[in-house]
Amino acid sequence: ETGVTQTPRHLVMGMTNKKSLKCEQHLGHNAMYWYKQSAKKPLELMFVYSLEERVENNSVPSRFSPECPNSSHLFLHLHTLQPEDSALYLCASSLARDRQYEQYFGPGTRLTVT
Amino acid sequence: AQKVTQAQTEISVVEKEDVTLDCVYETRDTTYYLFWYKQPPSGELVFLIRRNSFDEQNEISGRYSWNFQKSTSSFNFTITASQVVDSAVYFCALGGKAAGNKLTFGGGTRVLVKP
Repeated sequence: ETGVTQTPRHLVMGMTNKKSLKCEQHLGHNAMYWYKQSAKKPLELMFVYSLEERVENNSVPSRFSPECPNSSHLFLHLHTLQPEDSALYLCASSLARDRQYEQYFGPGTRLTVT
Repeated sequence: AQKVTQAQTEISVVEKEDVTLDCVYETRDTTYYLFWYKQPPSGELVFLIRRNSFDEQNEISGRYSWNFQKSTSSFNFTITASQVVDSAVYFCALGGKAAGNKLTFGGGTRVLVKP
């Protein structure tokens, strides 16, 4: 596999379920990101990890819990979500957590909360 | 604070027409980086180009070209002789210290190329 992969590609979950999104990068990068893309809203940065340490949390509700066990893997654990959390969740990675480095994105997980 | 504005929400063209996407940015930084990404229907954001603020040379890559005008804070993107496969949402993004080194994305422009 090359680039950034995300699983699952589609997920439908009830408000009381617990699920996890997985992201894996095969680029040797040191920074990883979670973004949320809702319909008709700009891309929202949720979390930033640099060298497995969370360096940014943009006021994301606690029902979203990220985990970065190593520099190649990033998870987003979901529990008791709301319908407004339905969105495309994109993972990205970059060489470093620095403005000059382009971010490479995965295909996203389309999440629907019912 | 940083801001990226893509005033065109949707552009529709017929195949082989040229299409230009506008991007205007605001930043307090003197050194910053500008990016363009393409998001096809599959959802993945595909990196297209990065431009440093101190390099105002325009760039051409195949049918794609970019016009960076620092004086007007614009970084416009032109697709020449558009093809149906160019149909996607295109995002302009800005990276700089003013926003803590994170990328600020514009709202995106949806391009629809009709055969």
